[in-house]
Amino acid sequence: SQQGEEDPQALSIQEGENATMNCSYKTSINNLQWYRQNSGRGLVHLILIRSNEREKHSGRLRVTLDTSKKSSSLLITASRAADTASYFCATDAEGAQKLVFGQGTRLTINP
Amino acid sequence: ETGVTQTPRHLVMGMTNKKSLKCEQHLGHNAMYWYKQSAKKPLELMFVYSLEERVENNSVPSRFSPECPNSSHLFLHLHTLQPEDSALYLCASSQEGVGEQFFGPGTRLTVL
Repeated sequence: SQQGEEDPQALSIQEGENATMNCSYKTSINNLQWYRQNSGRGLVHLILIRSNEREKHSGRLRVTLDTSKKSSSLLITASRAADTASYFCATDAEGAQKLVFGQGTRLTINP
Repeated sequence: ETGVTQTPRHLVMGMTNKKSLKCEQHLGHNAMYWYKQSAKKPLELMFVYSLEERVENNSVPSRFSPECPNSSHLFLHLHTLQPEDSALYLCASSQEGVGEQFFGPGTRLTVL
């Protein structure tokens, strides 16, 4: 299985601090994506990083990808209460038409 | 608003009922997906439609029957469900080959 596995499963920090979540996967990929989900709602795409990229930024988000270690990290800087959500990584295998999602990290930002 | 709508948002049904979930995308995408999200489990891909043809059926029981009449609409027909089928059912769409998927808000299904 190329299922992504997020670490930690749950993270609670104070507003203003940085939050780091990690994702590991098992097989070669075309790209890796991060999604966010507010409780009981649909997923929202945050960022996509291709297998030939090492780092990508989008606003307060920074994603890194290490294909040699088959791992990725998502950093949210200067966290806000509104960042409270579950965050998922998703990978697509080379040649496949589907994404495989991890179990997610539940992030809580305390005001 | 992601451009993907799902109806109904909530559904309660008995095990003998027949109901359908509807998904519509307004993004001009050519691929659509059904996912099941249960508590404490990863998001499970159920079906993939690409150019209106089913290209993936992830060993889903026959009590779930998908239908894709055109590239903008996707249905999930439900019959003789079990209580363990209670979950959040999410629809998504994408432009084939691009990668990013756009999700609807989901249908919260409860089977009594």
